[in-house]
Amino acid sequence: EPEVTQTPSHQVTQMGQEVILRCVPISNHLYFYWYRQILGQKVEFLVSFYNNEISEKSEIFDDQFSVERPDGSNFTLKIRSTKLEDSAMYFCASSERGANTGELFFGEGSRLTVL
Amino acid sequence: AQSVTQLDSQVPVFEEAPVELRCNYSSSVSVYLFWYVQYPNQGLQLLLKYLSGSTLVKGINGFEAEFNKSQTSFHLRKPSVHISDTAEYFCAVSLLWGAGGFKTIFGAGTRLFVKA
Repeated sequence: EPEVTQTPSHQVTQMGQEVILRCVPISNHLYFYWYRQILGQKVEFLVSFYNNEISEKSEIFDDQFSVERPDGSNFTLKIRSTKLEDSAMYFCASSERGANTGELFFGEGSRLTVL
Repeated sequence: AQSVTQLDSQVPVFEEAPVELRCNYSSSVSVYLFWYVQYPNQGLQLLLKYLSGSTLVKGINGFEAEFNKSQTSFHLRKPSVHISDTAEYFCAVSLLWGAGGFKTIFGAGTRLFVKA
């Protein structure tokens, strides 16, 4: 069964460092998303991406964050200068074009710990 | 604006007892409704979904949910829980946006704790 894969599963970084989280969405999906879950809190929408551009972003997704699809398969989330409050589980998701299911397919998540 | 409210942050229950996890949503447009489960240190797994049709939907692991349009609710139920059902459960609504993709909004989650 096709699945969304994310790397790394866990990353520890120093405050102020740049971090790139990688995702490989399901191959025939065209919509891509990043969500964040701070420990013990709700899953929060960060950004959606379609046709090589951001289609929507939340207020959390400030100038420190960026996304790109560099090679047609990977979908990356970059945090330019990490802060302590960026520590969270980051989930990538994808969905099919035009599917009347509303279902997002999630990866296992990348846990980011900022020290 | 769309929102999802899970009325209970924690639900402790004894093994083999029935359970109901409550979810209410608000939306000015049609939405799709979901329940996701998150086991400790794992990602999000789809439990069940309501798209249209029968208001009672069945999911994996013996869970079911009922869509009530008039009450804008989508409560999750299981007649007899197991220890292995201990997890965080998220109710979510998904709405279609212009280019054909979906935006999914999650509730705050309900931690189901099953005791022996």
